[in-house]
Amino acid sequence: DSGVTQTPKHLITATGQRVTLRCSPRSGDLSVYWYQQSLDQGLQFLIQYYNGEERAKGNILERFSAQQFPDLHSELNLSSLELGDSALYFCASSVRAQEGIQYFGAGTRLSVL
Amino acid sequence: KNQVEQSPQSLIILEGKNCTLQCNYTVSPFSNLRWYKQDTGRGPVSLTIMTFSENTKSNGRYTATLDADTKQSSLHITASQLSDSASYICVVSSKTGANNLFFGTGTRLTVIP
Repeated sequence: DSGVTQTPKHLITATGQRVTLRCSPRSGDLSVYWYQQSLDQGLQFLIQYYNGEERAKGNILERFSAQQFPDLHSELNLSSLELGDSALYFCASSVRAQEGIQYFGAGTRLSVL
Repeated sequence: KNQVEQSPQSLIILEGKNCTLQCNYTVSPFSNLRWYKQDTGRGPVSLTIMTFSENTKSNGRYTATLDADTKQSSLHITASQLSDSASYICVVSSKTGANNLFFGTGTRLTVIP
């Protein structure tokens, strides 16, 4: 158990809909990262927050947004969903903004039908 | 362009045998290199993290090497076990830039009895 909690584990929805994925980082970790992993694809970095502020942005679509709350949990919002958004979405946390090990959650599997 | 390339893409070995996975990168300036193990459908788990000054780091039967001059790293697995079947991902961190993590697409290792 990495200490990073992601909910829900599975999500099935229809095209055009909006969903919210939630992540609780390890106790004491200030940085949260979101990744997308499509079938048989590598991890794609989406966005990073550090202590409530956006720190880095990767290949995140404009239809996607995220935030980190004062209690350090984070949410990833996906809107106007398309079939191609079906993927595993991972959250990871680390103590600092750049260095150090990232601890990954078990992921949320999103299926867009 | 900052890139991380891993080889081979996939590998099948017999239980008990050794194997070596390769990671070549062009990321600059270099900060650290990490190897992760990802079981199918699960979040990646950190195996090793190495900075510029470290040539070798071990974690049980896993030994990572780093040659910062040639920008190459390898992950050697000794006396493989069935539970080693997973994807192994190389991640290189740059010292600068907001989006400073560069992921390889991974090597898919299958250990057969």
